[in-house]
Amino acid sequence: GAVVSQHPSWVICKSGTSVKIECRSLDFQATTMFWYRQFPKQSLMLMATSNEGSKATYEQGVEKDKFLINHASLTLSTLTVTSAHPEDSSFYICSARDPSGSNEQFFGPGTRLTVL
Amino acid sequence: AQTVTQSQPEMSVQEAETVTLSCTYDTSESDYYLFWYKQPPSRQMILVIRQEAYKQQNATENRFSVNFQKAAKSFSLKISDSQLGDAAMYFCAYGGGGGTYKYIFGTGTRLKVLA
Repeated sequence: GAVVSQHPSWVICKSGTSVKIECRSLDFQATTMFWYRQFPKQSLMLMATSNEGSKATYEQGVEKDKFLINHASLTLSTLTVTSAHPEDSSFYICSARDPSGSNEQFFGPGTRLTVL
Repeated sequence: AQTVTQSQPEMSVQEAETVTLSCTYDTSESDYYLFWYKQPPSRQMILVIRQEAYKQQNATENRFSVNFQKAAKSFSLKISDSQLGDAAMYFCAYGGGGGTYKYIFGTGTRLKVLA
């Protein structure tokens, strides 16, 4: 149980285009999901908290107009990188909060984004 | 604001030996969780062990155990009988209360296991 998937696992796009990454909880309902960014050999940096049916809460320094997050259902959250540039190239990881009420998060396998 | 510090960027251990990874944190909250995650080369985050702050007993999971010192705000991970498959990045994470459920990660420790 508690499986989180991400799609795609990797994507290459041209500068200026938009890319959508999907995060799904496969066997449970996730009212809260999180999006992280991880640069090579660095830790995970929280970008935003996504709550089903409401606007995402972005961390300080994260451009909400560039990184659009939608959590339209209890099993799906999406991250859209708009007008992507090479500096947006990174590894993006989503997670879902344990529905049983603990603070544990279940992580997706990540998406590697390369912007040319 | 809460902080998590992992002061060992890299550690090495001989196969079958024991190694301890350090983690300290700072918080003013009384109710929180602490976690150790393993990130192998696949980059999938894998939960190793978790500790609820209100529990005084140290958590254990097979070869993995923690030394949780709440007053000292220390949460170290001990890996016994180290195996080659234990080689990975290990991240300590703080999961606070207050309804946000956010994690704060440490900078990580790369563990090498020597055959």
